[in-house]
Amino acid sequence: EDKVVQSPLSLVVHEGDTVTLNCSYEVTNFRSLLWYKQEKKAPTFLFMLTSSGIEKKSGRLSSILDKKELSSILNITATQTGDSAIYLCEGGGSEKLVFGKGTKLTVNP
Amino acid sequence: GAVVSQHPSRVICKSGTSVKIECRSLDFQATTMFWYRQFPKQSLMLMATSNEGSKATYEQGVEKDKFLINHASLTLSTLTVTSAHPEDSSFYICSAKRGGQAYNEQFFGPGTRLTVL
Repeated sequence: EDKVVQSPLSLVVHEGDTVTLNCSYEVTNFRSLLWYKQEKKAPTFLFMLTSSGIEKKSGRLSSILDKKELSSILNITATQTGDSAIYLCEGGGSEKLVFGKGTKLTVNP
Repeated sequence: GAVVSQHPSRVICKSGTSVKIECRSLDFQATTMFWYRQFPKQSLMLMATSNEGSKATYEQGVEKDKFLINHASLTLSTLTVTSAHPEDSSFYICSAKRGGQAYNEQFFGPGTRLTVL
């Protein structure tokens, strides 16, 4: 059965901390792994990863895919209160999309 | 808990026909449901927000008459792609927001893959 598992489910940190969010996947005919930030309405796209070992970066956020381990991590350095959100991982296959439950990140001042 | 289902999971139809996709929240009441589409190797794109008992709110660029949304109950929303054409081929994904939650947590369905020939 296809599945995407994110950990931890919830995380509370202080501003300035660095966090690592995990996503493991089992998706038939896997094509890509996507990370989203979900705050108000629709999830906001962060990264799409298709190749193993290539790190994608955007400011304080970065992500990398490990196809051998069927996993991905999302790093956020020097966290800010505005980073508080649910971070969603999606495994995209040729036949279906599988979403994780998300990691709820709370960054306290 | 918080399971969202979609039906059908996959549909192939001829150009010009209409296709209805159902989104159900199985174990909770969803005051709000969202409809997205996703093209291969692209991210989710929000199409519309559906509130139970009221008209859906469509995102800019999404044709209301083309993509009919009905949120008839707290557990069911439907998306009808009318007069489908090959360019409508895509994954269609719904998500449901549980009523009463202070945080905007959405639960996603497994998606429906539409192929229009």
